[in-house]
Amino acid sequence: DTEVTQTPKHLVMGMTNKKSLKCEQHMGHRAMYWYKQKAKKPPELMFVYSYEKLSINESVPSRFSPECPNSSLLNLHLHALQPEDSALYLCASSQMGTPWDEQFFGPGTRLTVL
Amino acid sequence: RKEVEQDPGPFNVPEGATVAFNCTYSNSASQSFFWYRQDCRKEPKLLMSVYSSGNEDGRFTAQLNRASQYISLLIRDSKLSDSATYLCVVNWQAGGTSYGKLTFGQGTILTVHP
Repeated sequence: DTEVTQTPKHLVMGMTNKKSLKCEQHMGHRAMYWYKQKAKKPPELMFVYSYEKLSINESVPSRFSPECPNSSLLNLHLHALQPEDSALYLCASSQMGTPWDEQFFGPGTRLTVL
Repeated sequence: RKEVEQDPGPFNVPEGATVAFNCTYSNSASQSFFWYRQDCRKEPKLLMSVYSSGNEDGRFTAQLNRASQYISLLIRDSKLSDSATYLCVVNWQAGGTSYGKLTFGQGTILTVHP
């Protein structure tokens, strides 16, 4: 059983819609991450939050907007997405966000943009 | 050159076989190393961390050679349930920060058949 939960599990949206992905972790971790995974490819890092502050933004388009309301919650706000943004969006957390941390992944949200 | 390179596979082995996966990484300043497994349409799950002295967890043995920048995973007595994609993962310090950044290999598909 994963201690990182994500909602929704599946999301279909049009290019003009605004939607949000949610992630919650119950392990007391202080770092949280968003990854994007296309089919048959490995996950690619999008954002890192450490102690509720954005630490790393991997040059992600502004149509993706992360938010970290507190150390347990991480949101990804979506607006004006393109069909090529369809992918599995994975949230992960780790204890401190250091280069020695193990990261634990949530089950992901499978996003389809029409 | 890719930052993390793995055997492309796929590997098809019978139950009970021993199978080995190899991985090389390009950043000599990499801090920590992991093997994750990912089942079809699921999230990556941490299989084991990899330590310089080598480590074993049941049927799984991981080795790290920092001088050669090489990581391996050995699976003994393969089970049907071992069928998955195995991801070699390296954590290094993101430039100019103290935060870790996971980089994934492309993954190796393993199919264990009766």
